[in-house]
Amino acid sequence: DAGVTQSPTHLIKTRGQQVTLRCSPKSGHDTVSWYQQALGQGPQFIFQYYEEEERQRGNFPDRFSGHQFPNYSSELNVNALLLGDSALYLCASSLPAAKNIQYFGAGTRLSVL
Amino acid sequence: AQSVTQLDSQVPVFEEAPVELRCNYSSSVSVYLFWYVQYPNQGLQLLLKYLSGSTLVESINGFEAEFNKSQTSFHLRKPSVHISDTAEYFCAFGGSQGNLIFGKGTKLSVKP
Repeated sequence: DAGVTQSPTHLIKTRGQQVTLRCSPKSGHDTVSWYQQALGQGPQFIFQYYEEEERQRGNFPDRFSGHQFPNYSSELNVNALLLGDSALYLCASSLPAAKNIQYFGAGTRLSVL
Repeated sequence: AQSVTQLDSQVPVFEEAPVELRCNYSSSVSVYLFWYVQYPNQGLQLLLKYLSGSTLVESINGFEAEFNKSQTSFHLRKPSVHISDTAEYFCAFGGSQGNLIFGKGTKLSVKP
C-alpha cells in the first residue's frame, strides 16, 4: 500500500521564478492538504482540495495556488517566489469522512536564492 | 481562535528515563488532537490521535497521551525512552474546517 508520495524531493529556485510541486495521495484517500513548514517551525496550513476544488484555505497569498486532478493527485504552484518561501512543503491526504486524520508525505524542500 | 502551545522547545533526557512532552490547546469546539513525529529530513508520521472515547490513547511504540479537558492539555508520555526516539514531536489540533493546527514542536534528544 503506497503512502503519500511527493516530488521532487529538493528544488532550488531564484527569486521571481515559479515552482510546481506534486503529490499523490495514499491509496483510497481523495482529500489532499498542503502545508508549509519553515525552518524551526510547525507546519502551517495552505489549502485543502477535495473533488478537484479548493475547499479550505489558510492565511497564504494568492501567489500560492493549487490543483487537484481526477485521480486525486494534486499540485501546489507558487508564483513570484520570495526568499521567505524557502521551506519544506508537505502534502497530506485523508478520507473525506475523516479530514482531520491526515497522513503526510516526506515533503519537498524548496530553497529560494 | 484555535491554537496549540508546546511549552518546551527542547527536551534532553537520558536513555531509559521517562519523558513527558507538554501540549496545551485553545478551542471552544469539538476537539480532535494528534501527535506527530518527525525524524531528521523526513515528513511527519502520525503517532497517535484522540477523537473521542477513552481519554488515554496509546501508540504501538510505547508512547501514550492523555486528553484532559479541564486543563485543555494533551501531554505525550513514555515511561522509558530509547536512542531511536530522538526526533521532533508536534502536537496538532484538528480545526473545524478539516485543517490541522500545529504547535511549534518539541525536539526530544535522548542521550546514552
